[in-house]
Amino acid sequence: SQTIHQWPATLVQPVGSPLSLECTVEGTSNPNLYWYRQAAGRGLQLLFYSVGIGQISSEVPQNLSASRPQDRQFILSSKKLLLSDSGFYLCAWDTHSNQPQHFGDGTRLSIL
Amino acid sequence: EDQVTQSPEALRLQEGESSSLNCSYTVSGLRGLFWYRQDPGKGPEFLFTLYSAGEEKEKERLKATLTKKESFLHITAPKPEDSATYLCAVQAGNQGGKLIFGQGTELSVKP
Repeated sequence: SQTIHQWPATLVQPVGSPLSLECTVEGTSNPNLYWYRQAAGRGLQLLFYSVGIGQISSEVPQNLSASRPQDRQFILSSKKLLLSDSGFYLCAWDTHSNQPQHFGDGTRLSIL
Repeated sequence: EDQVTQSPEALRLQEGESSSLNCSYTVSGLRGLFWYRQDPGKGPEFLFTLYSAGEEKEKERLKATLTKKESFLHITAPKPEDSATYLCAVQAGNQGGKLIFGQGTELSVKP
């Protein structure tokens, strides 16, 4: 069966520090991969998606970037974090664009 | 503009008291409507996919229905373990796999 892993589960970082969040999927090949952010009490906002290695689409202009160095690995990065980057970051995958997306358990990011 | 609106924002029920959650959507060419359950501090858990008006799906105490403008998630005789936030999301026909989420309904079921 397929599983998705995200780490770390929680992260506290100072303003201006770099960021790297990692997501890996097991049990499937060539998945579509997604990064979402969820603000407190709000729905999910799509940040990036990838249909293959090295292919990244950005949905909103922001302080973040994404990379897909391997088929089942998706990384969310920032060179300098802002206070507004705080939130709950979720990674998801699917095998086809009209199939349900399956989510990891997220990373709670707090910026001080 | 594609949009999803869920109501109510919060719902408190007594155990066994049936009710419905609403998801209204405006989208160019619906490809699919998805319901998820999210527990505090966790990622959303997939419940149902609906693709066309008139379609219905059931799972235990939950039943999802779809019309051309909205979807309902009916909860029959809920139990305290059904307490969670329920999220609705749609996929538009011209936007690949992108999901547009509603704000969610926070359901609390008291024993």
